[in-house]
Amino acid sequence: SQQGEEDPQALSIQEGENATMNCSYKTSINNLQWYRQNSGRGLVHLILIRSNEREKHSGRLRVTLDTSKKSSSLLITASRAADTASYFCATVPITSGTYKYIFGTGTRLKVLA
Amino acid sequence: GAGVSQSPSNKVTEKGKDVELRCDPISGHTALYWYRQSLGQGLEFLIYFQGNSAPDKSGLPSDRFSAERTGGSVSTLTIQRTQQEDSAVYLCATRQGAIDTQYFGPGTRLTVL
Repeated sequence: SQQGEEDPQALSIQEGENATMNCSYKTSINNLQWYRQNSGRGLVHLILIRSNEREKHSGRLRVTLDTSKKSSSLLITASRAADTASYFCATVPITSGTYKYIFGTGTRLKVLA
Repeated sequence: GAGVSQSPSNKVTEKGKDVELRCDPISGHTALYWYRQSLGQGLEFLIYFQGNSAPDKSGLPSDRFSAERTGGSVSTLTIQRTQQEDSAVYLCATRQGAIDTQYFGPGTRLTVL
């Protein structure tokens, strides 16, 4: 079964608003990554946060990681219609060494113009 | 090449037929992954290659599924005696060495009638 669970499953907001997605996982991890998927095709890597980091920024993206709660959040600020996509978190459990990625079920974001 | 490519992009087959899906990785990427994504779902890990060897085949759903990689490059995923439940998007991703970012191909959408 998937280790990561995203919340909410679907999110609809107006352009210009902020979008927050959450990810929970079950085991200790090396790092956590967020990916974006358009139209059910290939995923694009957005940002990686390591287990010893608490917050990371990239452009309009802000990711936080709370290892004590085994959770992460992705914040997209000033959303645009082009941000409409599905967003997945992926974890690399420590027990897997460095190779196995466990993807969550995804959050479907819709940004209305 | 510039990115990960997969072929065919779409495949429609009849139940019971065999299909072969191909993944061409980014040059120099030693790690290669196959995932399956059913409609509206997250990614299901199938198999991981490091070079030509597959240290983890644990995600292959049944013995009808097999994969190989040759020359540390191209990989093929073969599904024998396809069933309707095999219908999904099959995604390939590659990674360079120990760097954690995965680069995804556009996927092959398989439909089994």
